Amino acid sequence: QKEVEQDPGPLSVPEGAIVSLNCTYSNSAFQYFMWYRQYSRKGPELLMYTYSSGNKEDGRFTAQVDKSSKYISLFIRDSQPSDSATYLCAMTTDSWGKLQFGAGTQVVVTP
Amino acid sequence: DVKVTQSSRYLVKRTGEKVFLECVQDMDHENMFWYRQDPGLGLRLIYFSYDVKMKEKGDIPEGYSVSREKKERFSLILESASTNQTSMYLCASSLGSTRREKLFFGSGTQLSVL
Repeated sequence: QKEVEQDPGPLSVPEGAIVSLNCTYSNSAFQYFMWYRQYSRKGPELLMYTYSSGNKEDGRFTAQVDKSSKYISLFIRDSQPSDSATYLCAMTTDSWGKLQFGAGTQVVVTP
Repeated sequence: DVKVTQSSRYLVKRTGEKVFLECVQDMDHENMFWYRQDPGLGLRLIYFSYDVKMKEKGDIPEGYSVSREKKERFSLILESASTNQTSMYLCASSLGSTRREKLFFGSGTQLSVL
């Protein structure tokens, strides 16, 4: 069984809707939780990170971590067609280079 | 802006060939990483390096080796390519002072082994 589970989608939403993405994990030692965005034919880029439990907001993006449930979420408000991408959750116990990734969820925002 | 450049976008090789994937970063980063990305599996760490001439195994090192002779260049080597090594290979780098800096990824090399 994989350490990090993520539904691959695709997830299709109309422009302006809220996008809700999530991952579950099994290793309780994970401390840093990240969301990467990957556009087609590009490498992933870091969108947000959270240390331990709690919420973090950055513009239209909100990341949540619930360590008791081993569950993390990313919400995108007022979604735009430019948000169409694959979103990968990633997590680590310490080193940000040694990440465990989810499979990625493909998001399509239709105008 | 940090730039991580991978030498080839697409590569087609035959089973048993020795394959070199090259990666260069231009921001004097200490740390460099090789991941592979497969549908349904996400990214998996193959090898990484925290310094020149230093290398450490990641989660799936079997069938691969690496070389880091210069700080800016990190090469992934498939000693004898096999069909199960068909994948997207992504190189990444990070600054290196705390080991808690974000990764900068290249655009990837799609390798097909026939």
